[in-house]
Amino acid sequence: EVQLVESGGGLVQPGRSLKLSCAASGFTFSSFPMAWVRQAPKKGLEWVASISSGGGGTYYPDSVKGRFTISRDNAKSTLYLQMDSLRSEDTASYYCARYTTLDYWGQGVMVTVSS
Amino acid sequence: DIQMTQSPASLSASLGETISIECRASEDIYSNLAWYQQKSGKSPQLLIYAANRLQDGVPSRFSGSGSGTQYSLKISGMQPEDEGDYFCLQGSKFPLTFGSGTKLEIK
Repeated sequence: EVQLVESGGGLVQPGRSLKLSCAASGFTFSSFPMAWVRQAPKKGLEWVASISSGGGGTYYPDSVKGRFTISRDNAKSTLYLQMDSLRSEDTASYYCARYTTLDYWGQGVMVTVSS
Repeated sequence: DIQMTQSPASLSASLGETISIECRASEDIYSNLAWYQQKSGKSPQLLIYAANRLQDGVPSRFSGSGSGTQYSLKISGMQPEDEGDYFCLQGSKFPLTFGSGTKLEIK
C-alpha cells in the first residue's frame, strides 16, 4: 500500500524557516517524480514544487521560487521542502504527492506563519 | 501561465441525478487534465487522469471527457458519498494549475 506521511509543520514567525518531510513507502520511491501542493484554509489547491525521480530537476511557481527548495533522499525514501523567508500568505496545509498524475497524496501538514 | 476556469462554483444534486463539472483552459492542454475529489478534512483523491482515464478503484459512475481547452467530469447517478469538493488540474505546462473548485452537495 502506497503511503505518504508528512511531518515538520507548525507555527513559525514571518521571515523564518521551516523544513517539511514526507516519508514514502509502498512503492519504489526512486522511480517517481514527486511534488508538493498546498491549500490555504478554506481555499483551493496550489502547486508548490516538483522534483524529478533522481533529484536533478526541480520546478517551482513564481510565488515560491527563490524561497522554497524541494529535495529528496532516495536512500531514505523521503521528500523534503525547505521553506525560507516565510510569509503570512504561505499559511496552508502542505501535501506531498506522487507525480506526474498526483495519484497518491499524504494526509497533509499545517504550516501557520504568524507573529 | 495556463488559467483553469472551473464551473460551476457550487452544485446541489438529488440522489441518482447526473451532474457535470466543466474546466476550460486558457490554451490547449492536450488532454493533460486530471480530476480530484476532496472530502472535508481529507486530502484530494485522484478520480480521472489524461482527461478520460478512470483511476483504479474509482466507481464507474465517474467519467471524464474533453480535448483541447474544454474538459468535463460527469457523475452518472449522484450518491451520498459523492458530496465534496472537486478540482481539475492541468499538467501540460509548468506551473501546474488547478481549477478553483466545485462544491457538490446533496439536495
